[in-house]
Amino acid sequence: KNQVEQSPQSLIILEGKNCTLQCNYTVSPFSNLRWYKQDTGRGPVSLTIMTFSENTKSNGRYTATLDADTKQSSLHITASQLSDSASYICVVSLNSGYSTLTFGKGTMLLVSP
Amino acid sequence: GAVVSQHPSRVICKSGTSVKIECRSLDFQATTMFWYRQFPKKSLMLMATSNEGSKATYEQGVEKDKFLINHASLTLSTLTVTSAHPEDSSFYICSARDQGSGNTIYFGEGSWLTVV
Repeated sequence: KNQVEQSPQSLIILEGKNCTLQCNYTVSPFSNLRWYKQDTGRGPVSLTIMTFSENTKSNGRYTATLDADTKQSSLHITASQLSDSASYICVVSLNSGYSTLTFGKGTMLLVSP
Repeated sequence: GAVVSQHPSRVICKSGTSVKIECRSLDFQATTMFWYRQFPKKSLMLMATSNEGSKATYEQGVEKDKFLINHASLTLSTLTVTSAHPEDSSFYICSARDQGSGNTIYFGEGSWLTVV
């Protein structure tokens, strides 16, 4: 069964600190992996998208890594800001169909002043 | 960047009535759109895949007669919740696939439905 597991489930950090969120998947065949940020009551916003051949991709203070061999991805947030408080969702796409997306349950991040 | 617009963002309706939610891709054509439902602090659940000019494909357990999906144009898909009940109250989100940008998926802002 294709699954996407995220950890931790929730995280509280102080403003200015760094943090790393994890995503492990069993989706196969793999096409791409996306990280989204979802503010409460809003739609998800894309942060990064990585294909099989990409190991790292950055978007401002967000850096995503991908190890396709171990089927692990991480999202690193540097110098966190209060506005980073949100749910971060890892989404993996099957290679067999563009519409086949498997969602992780997300990591709820709270940045405290 | 590409934008997907949902309307209304919030709606309250009475039990037994129907309510329509619109999803529009504002600057690209989307042959495929997706409808999700999200309960508080839960992950997105795919309800159906909407294909322009053809019938939607519903996920297992989703009642197609209750959640009517129409994708009449390349920029508009609608979800109609028919005979709404309080348990239909939820956050509904759509997304659209932009084939012109490597099949990137863009999400709408979501629509809060409250059935009273």
